[in-house]
Amino acid sequence: ETVMTQSPATLSVSPGERATLSCRASQSVSSYLAWYQQKPGQAPRLLIYGASTRATGIPARFSGSESGTEFTLTISSLQSEDFAVYYCQQYNDWPRTFGQGTKVEIK
Amino acid sequence: EVQLVESGGGLVQPGRSLRLSCVASGFSFDDYAMHWVRQAPGKGLEWVSGVSWNGGSIGYADSVKGRFTISRDNAKNSLYLQMNSLRPEDTALYYCAKDRSAWLQLAYSDYWGQGTLVTVSS
Repeated sequence: ETVMTQSPATLSVSPGERATLSCRASQSVSSYLAWYQQKPGQAPRLLIYGASTRATGIPARFSGSESGTEFTLTISSLQSEDFAVYYCQQYNDWPRTFGQGTKVEIK
Repeated sequence: EVQLVESGGGLVQPGRSLRLSCVASGFSFDDYAMHWVRQAPGKGLEWVSGVSWNGGSIGYADSVKGRFTISRDNAKNSLYLQMNSLRPEDTALYYCAKDRSAWLQLAYSDYWGQGTLVTVSS
């Protein structure tokens, strides 16, 4: 099973600032990596797939990148609606596994 | 608009059974694989089970293998999860999720329902 490790667990950021979230895979997952956003009381929402492709309707301030087994989600200028928990998930092999999440909170 | 509506959750005693349902609309249900993903209270996401478009390919997490059974009825645009021998650690919000592909391999989920809560307690 591929273990996904996210860091940090909590990120405190001021509105308008840049947020950088990390996700590391225990083995290669190629580019089969997705990012999801989850707000309190809501279902997860797909942000990024294929490590760097934005899903339909996702603002350009969200971007994904990869370097080997290290993946990054960057939010270029945080808006109030972006404060949430973010999960990475690999879909390269079975079972699909999620990271433990990074909570982005208001500083 | 894609809609996924789960139902069937509730309070159940350990060792008992429960059947979850998910009704889909807004897309061609029989073109896509479907999954169940759960989230224990205050915890992260855990993939539970997935089924290909035709039911021919199925996968389970080790934590539920042998106890849970996923199925689908394409004529009714519905996905099911039969949960037997329930344990307190199965307590979670269970989400139904649509995949981007018909098959289980190398695909991600692009839409999720709002979930149905299962509580296993005596």
